[in-house]
Amino acid sequence: AQKITQTQPGMFVQEKEAVTLDCTYDTSDPSYGLFWYKQPSSGEMIFLIYQGSYDQQNATEGRYSLNFQKARKSANLVISASQLGDSAMYFCAMGFSGNTPLVFGKGTRLSVIA
Amino acid sequence: DGGITQSPKYLFRKEGQNVTLSCEQNLNHDAMYWYRQDPGQGLRLIYYSQIVNDFQKGDIAEGYSVSREKKESFPLTVTSAQKNPTAFYLCASSTSGYSTDTQYFGPGTRLTVL
Repeated sequence: AQKITQTQPGMFVQEKEAVTLDCTYDTSDPSYGLFWYKQPSSGEMIFLIYQGSYDQQNATEGRYSLNFQKARKSANLVISASQLGDSAMYFCAMGFSGNTPLVFGKGTRLSVIA
Repeated sequence: DGGITQSPKYLFRKEGQNVTLSCEQNLNHDAMYWYRQDPGQGLRLIYYSQIVNDFQKGDIAEGYSVSREKKESFPLTVTSAQKNPTAFYLCASSTSGYSTDTQYFGPGTRLTVL
């Protein structure tokens, strides 16, 4: 069964420090993609970064990078130089080839401290 | 500006009433989705549509109905059969129905049953 696990319900980080949010997944499908979304208190889900299972290099988007370790089935999000505006819920999600719906983790609440 | 709009932002319903949540996109996306989010939880899929005049049930379709008469619009009706409808509802769209395509979300509708 496809499953996403985010083991950290909450995280604190000092402003300007880097932080890693954990995400592990379980699937037997060889073709899949991993997404990270940010949900601020306003509620909207904001797409951050995507990694395909066949991508050779780790994805990066500005201050966001995805530490993809396929053998360990992990896709951790790294946020560099944290800002106060990074305080939000962060969700990891997994998609598959074909029409199987996206699977979401339960999320990690990140709080950035000044 | 391209994007997804949802209305209303807040909605109050009396028990026994049906209510309809609006979702419109101008991204020219084929696929659209409805998710429900309960406090402290991840997203659960209610319905999705990959093409006009076609839609499929997600994990928690009972008590909900949808239509897809136009590519741009995917309204969700919360019927009186839905026993616990108080939640945050998010609409999303993607280029196609493959779950490896990035889904982009609207701002959400918060529904409260009085």
